[in-house]
Amino acid sequence: DQQVKQNSPSLSVQEGRISILNCDYTNSMFDYFLWYKKYPAEGPTFLISISSIKDKNEDGRFTVFLNKSAKHLSLHIVPSQPGDSAVYFCAASGWETSGSRLTFGEGTQLTVNP
Amino acid sequence: KAGVTQTPRYLIKTRGQQVTLSCSPISGHRSVSWYQQTPGQGLQFLFEYFSETQRNKGNFPGRFSGRQFSNSRSEMNVSTLELGDSALYLCASSPVLFANTEAFFGQGTRLTVV
Repeated sequence: DQQVKQNSPSLSVQEGRISILNCDYTNSMFDYFLWYKKYPAEGPTFLISISSIKDKNEDGRFTVFLNKSAKHLSLHIVPSQPGDSAVYFCAASGWETSGSRLTFGEGTQLTVNP
Repeated sequence: KAGVTQTPRYLIKTRGQQVTLSCSPISGHRSVSWYQQTPGQGLQFLFEYFSETQRNKGNFPGRFSGRQFSNSRSEMNVSTLELGDSALYLCASSPVLFANTEAFFGQGTRLTVV
């Protein structure tokens, strides 16, 4: 059963506009959420994270929002740049149930057009 | 500070053979996790090692095994290879085991089974 889902396999936006990537989860024991970016032929690179005690975390152009009641998180990239084109994975962990194991979504391919 | 190093980067093996992949974590990191990524799938957790002990295991058959050495380096072994084992195998390291913190990934080993 897929505990973390990214329902959009792909997203295309114009340079300078906002990119919004979404992620849903089902396991209420998850208490830490992360976003990773992955370029082809490279390993995932950590972007930003959020603890379940917060509903927003911001780092430069990247902001992650968490809605615990809806079991939903989103990553906002503003403004989007062509170099942001990559696959974005959301991931979740809940150490009481799974230690530091990360459960990943399927990924969303973001394309930022110049 | 050197990142996570995985060797080899690419491998081609024949069905029925066995393969060993290697991962050197970031210096000072004691937790090493392994993930499998196949086309259209997110990253699937294989197992996690900390202080030479397997601490967590994903839902993979017993053909997949691993170990960790006293210097935190880890190896993953797959025996009796099947075509479906073709994937990108990623190793991630973290400073500690039970902590909500980001994991740092290597570039992965691309395994092709023919």
